[in-house]
Amino acid sequence: DTGVSQDPRHKITKRGQNVTFRCDPISEHNRLYWYRQTLGQGPEFLTYFQNEAQLEKSRLLSDRFSAERPKGSFSTLEIQRTEQGDSAMYLCASSVHRGNTDTQYFGPGTRLTVL
Amino acid sequence: GNSVTQMEGPVTLSEEAFLTINCTYTATGYPSLFWYVQYPGEGLQLLLKATKADDKGSNKGFEATYRKETTSFHLEKGSVQVSDSAVYFCALSDPGGGADGLTFGKGTHLIIQP
Repeated sequence: DTGVSQDPRHKITKRGQNVTFRCDPISEHNRLYWYRQTLGQGPEFLTYFQNEAQLEKSRLLSDRFSAERPKGSFSTLEIQRTEQGDSAMYLCASSVHRGNTDTQYFGPGTRLTVL
Repeated sequence: GNSVTQMEGPVTLSEEAFLTINCTYTATGYPSLFWYVQYPGEGLQLLLKATKADDKGSNKGFEATYRKETTSFHLEKGSVQVSDSAVYFCALSDPGGGADGLTFGKGTHLIIQP
């Protein structure tokens, strides 16, 4: 396994711009998750996919945020009209769902700074 | 809703000391419990897990036992090393309670001094 990869690792943008992040999960993992982590806090769940279907979205995921996983492999997270409050580390995780338990493996994250 | 509470940090210990990081949880279903570790500048790594009551997870000298009666999953290690310095996160998943995403605690920063 090559692990979960995320791109870019760092992104600096100006308020009001749109940004897009990419996550490549571990191959053959059918679930993919997005989290947001701010300084000094634990990660907070945003949304997840099983294959290409988006099954759950947190109330944290405002309508400026959209996520896709078009072919059930990589995923993108887009933030439109960024705000300074969007500055955070965006984490992706993937898992193989078996029964009622799965173990999530995390990527290195994309650190977003909105100026 | 679900929640995880961890002891506040930073926790500073000398090398070879005994470590306990407390974690308690609230869940609507029957959660699985996890400890993740985040080393400086790196992503989250799974340290250990337990999927049902009385299970003990262990890895790299760390252990935690799923205690349903006290809703706890405390992390322990008998003799810490400087290389254990990191931030430790307790987390749960509760798909039976409708929450497939992980719920994390705020993290405990562990500092081990030589």
